[in-house]
Amino acid sequence: DAGVTQSPTHLIKTRGQQVTLRCSPKSGHDTVSWYQQALGQGPQFIFQYYEEEERQRGNFPDRFSGHQFPNYSSELNVNALLLGDSALYLCASSPLASSTDTQYFGPGTRLTVL
Amino acid sequence: QKEVEQNSGPLSVPEGAIASLNCTYSDRGSQSFFWYRQYSGKSPELIMSIYSNGDKEDGRFTAQLNKASQYVSLLIRDSQPSDSATYLCAGNNNDMRFGAGTRLTVKP
Repeated sequence: DAGVTQSPTHLIKTRGQQVTLRCSPKSGHDTVSWYQQALGQGPQFIFQYYEEEERQRGNFPDRFSGHQFPNYSSELNVNALLLGDSALYLCASSPLASSTDTQYFGPGTRLTVL
Repeated sequence: QKEVEQNSGPLSVPEGAIASLNCTYSDRGSQSFFWYRQYSGKSPELIMSIYSNGDKEDGRFTAQLNKASQYVSLLIRDSQPSDSATYLCAGNNNDMRFGAGTRLTVKP
């Protein structure tokens, strides 16, 4: 049973560039959430996708956008990168149509903005 | 005020001792709570979930929830050096809110 997968593992970009991160949820899961984790901090909620639509959004600017595909996989796009966007980006999946809202995390993508 | 607060530590306990990790939350709408373990450079790994007031035990781990006091805790019995990690507390009310984590060190 494959867990949550993310790609790429590491990424280095320069200020002003755009980046796309990818996530495939755990088998049987249809909901994908994205988080940003700065060094020494807990994960911060960016947004959640279900049925190809954004269900919830955290306090992040419009530079952060996402998409969910019919196979439940998801992308996170960040435009006009800033130095402060350097962080570990985590994807988590959960089965919405379930009594549990437990989320399982992927390995993350480490983004460095120079 | 942060929505989920944890003592950042570091918390140091000897091998075999009980480690006690605490968390408070401000959003009374939160219905479910989670403890994740995160090793350095890795992603969070789920340890426990708890939804009702009281205790929930799973092996060496016991989670405690007190909604009236807005307090969640995690006890780790017979602590092992492999338990050394950062422990993240999270509460869920439509979206998951995490604390900054408590760093635990178990000394052999």
